[in-house]
Amino acid sequence: NAGVMQNPRHLVRRRGQEARLRCSPMKGHSHVYWYRQLPEEGLKFMVYLQKENIIDESGMPKERFSAEFPKEGPSILRIQQVVRGDSAAYFCASSPRQGLTTYEQYFGPGTRLTVT
Amino acid sequence: EDQVTQSPEALRLQEGESSSLNCSYTVSGLRGLFWYRQDPGKGPEFLFTLYSAGEEKEKERLKATLTKKESFLHITAPKPEDSATYLCAVKGANSKLTFGKGITLSVRP
Repeated sequence: NAGVMQNPRHLVRRRGQEARLRCSPMKGHSHVYWYRQLPEEGLKFMVYLQKENIIDESGMPKERFSAEFPKEGPSILRIQQVVRGDSAAYFCASSPRQGLTTYEQYFGPGTRLTVT
Repeated sequence: EDQVTQSPEALRLQEGESSSLNCSYTVSGLRGLFWYRQDPGKGPEFLFTLYSAGEEKEKERLKATLTKKESFLHITAPKPEDSATYLCAVKGANSKLTFGKGITLSVRP
């Protein structure tokens, strides 16, 4: 029973390049969340997606960042024209569903992005 | 806006020395309070969910409790392998989790 999978685990990009982070949720989970963790900071919510829909992107910077969760394939977090401040650990989490009942979010191992 | 404050920031214990980690929160319409464990270089690992004041849950040496304003993670007779960062998070009316900064626990043999 595979958990949440993320790749790559480590990503190095030069300023101005694009970063693409991938997340495959746990089997049977249809809800995906992206969080960012800066050094000495807590995990910060970025975006919540269901298949083919963005449900809540209130934590996502308005520029350069985008996320998708297509009908087929993994969820993608895309960062265009990266800057040094984007260096962080990016975590994906998944849950079975939302609604009146709250389900736990299970996290992947993260992608550590370094911008040089 | 939902807020979570964890204290202390760091805690050093001797093996076998029991203690508690604190999580204070403000949230509009609590849907759940979550405890996670995070080891260096890894993702958070789910431990507990608490839904209402007075609820308690246990797992091995860990016991989580919840009041209307706080949650405590009690660690009984800790071992070195319990060393990690413990994260508290709340879920309110929306779907996101709001996390505290975490408590780094070190247990010396």
